[in-house]
Amino acid sequence: QKEVEQNSGPLSVPEGAIASLNCTYSDRGSQSFFWYRQYSGKSPELIMSIYSNGDKEDGRFTAQLNKASQYVSLLIRDSQPSDSATYLCAVTGNFNKFYFGSGTKLNVKP
Amino acid sequence: DVKVTQSSRYLVKRTGEKVFLECVQDMDHENMFWYRQDPGLGLRLIYFSYDVKMKEKGDIPEGYSVSREKKERFSLILESASTNQTSMYLCASSLEAGQAYGYTFGSGTRLTVV
Repeated sequence: QKEVEQNSGPLSVPEGAIASLNCTYSDRGSQSFFWYRQYSGKSPELIMSIYSNGDKEDGRFTAQLNKASQYVSLLIRDSQPSDSATYLCAVTGNFNKFYFGSGTKLNVKP
Repeated sequence: DVKVTQSSRYLVKRTGEKVFLECVQDMDHENMFWYRQDPGLGLRLIYFSYDVKMKEKGDIPEGYSVSREKKERFSLILESASTNQTSMYLCASSLEAGQAYGYTFGSGTRLTVV
């Protein structure tokens, strides 16, 4: 069983819409959760972190965490073509190791 | 900003060669990591290190070794390169409290073994 699961997509949304990306994880002891954005041919860059149940907002991005259900999501409001990328969910394990999902590819159509 | 620098962006090596991938970070981070990324398989941890001269195996260490002689430098070594090691290799670093701050990644090295 994979530690972190994501739908590979692609998820296609029109420009200006809300994109919703989801992630589930298997380790109930995980404490920290991250979303990375990866453009094609580039390395991942950190865009959001969340540690407590509930919502955390940063500009057009909102991360949501539900530890009881073991899922974390990322909402992107007013999606732009520049948001088109692969979004990786990362969950901490033991010894500062992160477990990454395989990523969801997002296409924002103009 | 923390900078993580990988010495090569693209490498082409022959089967059986010994390959060195270098990674340097400039913010005195304790933790450093090597991942490989393959389509459909995501990021897989090869080795990581918490301190100088310390190393721990990740999920796929076979065929690889690492060296950390200085805090800022973490090297990945392919002892005898094989075609199944063709991949994108990503180095990352984090503060000791990495669970709070996340990783910073280098720009990656795309290795092709022929």
